[in-house]
Parts: sequence; structure tokens; C-alpha cells
Amino acid sequence: GQQLNQSPQSMFIQEGEDVSMNCTSSSIFNTWLWYKQEPGEGPVLLIALYKAGELTSNGRLTAQFGITRKDSFLNISASIPSDVGIYFCAGPHSGTYKYIFGTGTRLKVLA
Amino acid sequence: NAGVTQTPKFQVLKTGQSMTLQCAQDMNHNSMYWYRQDPGMGLRLIYYSASEGTTDKGEVPNGYNVSRLNKREFSLRLESAAPSQTSVYFCASSEALRTGVGYTFGSGTRLTVV
Repeated sequence: GQQLNQSPQSMFIQEGEDVSMNCTSSSIFNTWLWYKQEPGEGPVLLIALYKAGELTSNGRLTAQFGITRKDSFLNISASIPSDVGIYFCAGPHSGTYKYIFGTGTRLKVLA
Repeated sequence: NAGVTQTPKFQVLKTGQSMTLQCAQDMNHNSMYWYRQDPGMGLRLIYYSASEGTTDKGEVPNGYNVSRLNKREFSLRLESAAPSQTSVYFCASSEALRTGVGYTFGSGTRLTVV
């Protein structure tokens, strides 16, 4: 079945640093979503991407829909302590409109 | 605040006990979902309801049943809990079961089966 692989699995960074993470699929997606999950909470949608090559920003976050349609990237600039959490990518399961989620990238920011 | 409400937030069960996880949304969404989250596994879809009156299996439905009670409420039942069902359960909703629409998640139910 379809799988979404995220890397890295976890990151420890210093406050102020930029962060990059990616998500790859074994098949083509038509939509990519990026979510953030804070401790004890459910995931919250950050950015949605709908077209290959699309670059979308939400404050300090920027996400890109890979041109192969099999990958997506999320960048966070000038990280701050509240960026801590798990970042998930998600895409619709082939032939359906149900979303599958990646395994997540756990981000920790050291002040 | 508008959103998805899950109850209870925490639950401990003994093996073989049954329980129902409750979920309600007040956004007038048509579609609702149940996911489980396990370390290193991401979120996996258990069951979903595309609209009131319909339910379908997701990726990991074994050991669970669901009821779409009305448009607002979607419950998840464990008939005979097993330790393998120890997990964090999330309910989510969306306007419709269609591509490009993100989900709104509840804050989760942390279930431990001993």
C-alpha cells in the first residue's frame, strides 16, 4: 500500500536556526498537507498544496509541492521555542479521498 | 469554541473490557474519521463516515466498531479491549470526503489497556 516517509525522524536545533524536513511517497499525490501536533493536542493544519511546483508560505513556514508529485518539503525559518512539536505530512490515498499520514518529524528547539 | 470534542481524555481498561469513545463536532461537517496514533507509526485510519448514515473501514479496523449517531456525533467502540489497542485515538472531521480538504482534529483520547 501507499506509504509516506518523513525525514528526519527527529531534530534538535538551536533557537534562530532554519529547519528543513521532507516527505516522500511511493506514488503520485495530487495534494499535500502539512500538520503540526503539539504535546497533548491533535494535529493542526499548517499548509495545503494543490499543484506540482507550488510554493506556499504561512508566516515563517514555507512548503513546496515537489515537481515529481512524489515529495514535499517544509521549511521553518528562524525557529523559536514554540515551534516544538511533531510535523506530519499527509496526502490522499490513491483512488480515494481518505488521507494517509507520514510518520512525523519530531522537532525540539533549544533556547 | 468551535471544533471537535472527544471524551474521555484518558482511560485505562482491563483486557476484555469494552468502552465507547465519543466524538462530536459543531462545524456542520459532513465527514468524520477515527485515527489511532502509535509511536513511530504516524496516524492510521480506523474507520470513517463520509456522511450521516454511512460508515466504512479504514486501514486498521479490526477490533473496532463505529456508529454515526447523527451529523454531529461519531463514536468508536472497543468490544473486547486488547493491549495492542493501547494508543492515542483521534477523531477528525471535514466538510466533505474530497481531495484537498484538510481535517480538523480533536485533542485525543489516551487509552491504556492492561
